[in-house]
Amino acid sequence: DVKVTQSSRYLVKRTGEKVFLECVQDMDHENMFWYRQDPGLGLRLIYFSYDVKMKEKGDIPEGYSVSREKKERFSLILESASTNQTSMYLCASNPSQGAGNTIYFGEGSWLTVV
Amino acid sequence: GDSVTQMEGPVTLSEEAFLTINCTYTATGYPSLFWYVQYPGEGLQLLLKATKADDKGSNKGFEATYRKETTSFHLEKGSVQVSDSAVYFCALSSTGGFKTIFGAGTRLFVKA
Repeated sequence: DVKVTQSSRYLVKRTGEKVFLECVQDMDHENMFWYRQDPGLGLRLIYFSYDVKMKEKGDIPEGYSVSREKKERFSLILESASTNQTSMYLCASNPSQGAGNTIYFGEGSWLTVV
Repeated sequence: GDSVTQMEGPVTLSEEAFLTINCTYTATGYPSLFWYVQYPGEGLQLLLKATKADDKGSNKGFEATYRKETTSFHLEKGSVQVSDSAVYFCALSSTGGFKTIFGAGTRLFVKA
């Protein structure tokens, strides 16, 4: 089975801290994604990557950056955390460009910024 | 741009009731359509999908048919169980695109 692993399930950080959310997938997928999920808003795409060292902005990239140094690992970085970034963050991957490809999700990281 | 609209929740049903969650989409070209499910405390997982018009996706008693003429992909189940309580997301992925567009999600509660 495909596995997408997010290193931290629950985090509490202070305003202004730098936050790293790590994600690893074990199926050699080309594409990786970071979403945030908020009640009533569904999933919103923050960034995605279609290859090592490549990244593209999603719908809400402001306040975030990403890093993909290895194919299996995709990190989300909050340079200076703010309270409006309190949310559930979901990492995902899928095998290649194409309309019919299923996305595989990690279990999510709940981030609270105080 | 592409978009997905699904019925607002929450939807509350008694066990063994019939379920319909409506989903309509706007897209150029010929997208693939998906239903994902999110159980409490977990990430999303694929429930079913359909990649072309008139295809029917099915899994775990759930079904949805890709209707191009009405741009719809409604989710149905004949008899829900308490264990079906979850949030259901309709989604589309367009040909040649990297992005999957998700609806806002519909929360389902099933009472025993």
